[in-house]
Amino acid sequence: EAGVAQSPRYKIIEKRQSVAFWCNPISGHATLYWYQQILGQGPKLLIQFQNNGVVDDSQLPKDRFSAERLKGVDSTLKIQPAKLEDSAVYLCASSLWTGGKTKAFFGQGTRLTVV
Amino acid sequence: GIQVEQSPPDLILQEGANSTLRCNFSDSVNNLQWFHQNPWGQLINLFYIPSGTKQNGRLSATTVATERYSLLYISSSQTTDSGVYFCAVGTGANNLFFGTGTRLTVIP
Repeated sequence: EAGVAQSPRYKIIEKRQSVAFWCNPISGHATLYWYQQILGQGPKLLIQFQNNGVVDDSQLPKDRFSAERLKGVDSTLKIQPAKLEDSAVYLCASSLWTGGKTKAFFGQGTRLTVV
Repeated sequence: GIQVEQSPPDLILQEGANSTLRCNFSDSVNNLQWFHQNPWGQLINLFYIPSGTKQNGRLSATTVATERYSLLYISSSQTTDSGVYFCAVGTGANNLFFGTGTRLTVIP
C-alpha cells in the first residue's frame, strides 16, 4: 500500500514570500493532519480534517496560514507571508477511523527554511 | 489542552541493553500511539495502544489509562533503534497530540 506522499521535500524562501505544501494521504483515510515540527521539538498539530471538513484548527496561525482539503482527498497548506520563525518541517499524516482504531501514518515531511 | 510529558529526555545505551521510556498525560485519552522518528526524520508508527499491553518483536508497550501513563520497553537494543521516540495521545474526534520525546542513542 502506498504511504502518505508530500511535496516538495525541501523549500527555501525569503521572509514575506509565500509557499505551499501538498499532501496526498493513504487511499481511503478520512482523517488528515498537518503538523509543524521545529528542530528539537515534538510535532505540533496545526489542523485536522475529517473528510473535507475541519475538525480542529485551534493552533493554526490563521493570519498567515491556511489549509484546504478539496474533495476530501489531497490537501494543501499555505503560508503567506512567511516569517523566519516558520522554519520547520511540515508533516502530513492520515488515519483510518474504524471502530475507534485510529493508527496514524506520516509522510516524509517538507523542510522549510525561511531566510 | 492536554499535557504530554515524556521521560527521560535523553538516553544513551550500549548495544544489547534494555530500556524503558515513559509517557505521562494529564487527561483521559481514547487514543495513544508510540512513534519512532529515525535520524532522517521519518515518523514510524510503533503501537496503537490506548490501554493494555502489546508486543512486537523486541518492543513492547503498556498503557495504564486509569493512572494516565504509558511505557515503551526496548529489549536488546540495536544501533538502528537510535532516534527520537514520541508518545502521542488523543482525547476525542480522532485528534492526536505529541509529547516532548525521548532521544535514544545506542552505541556499539
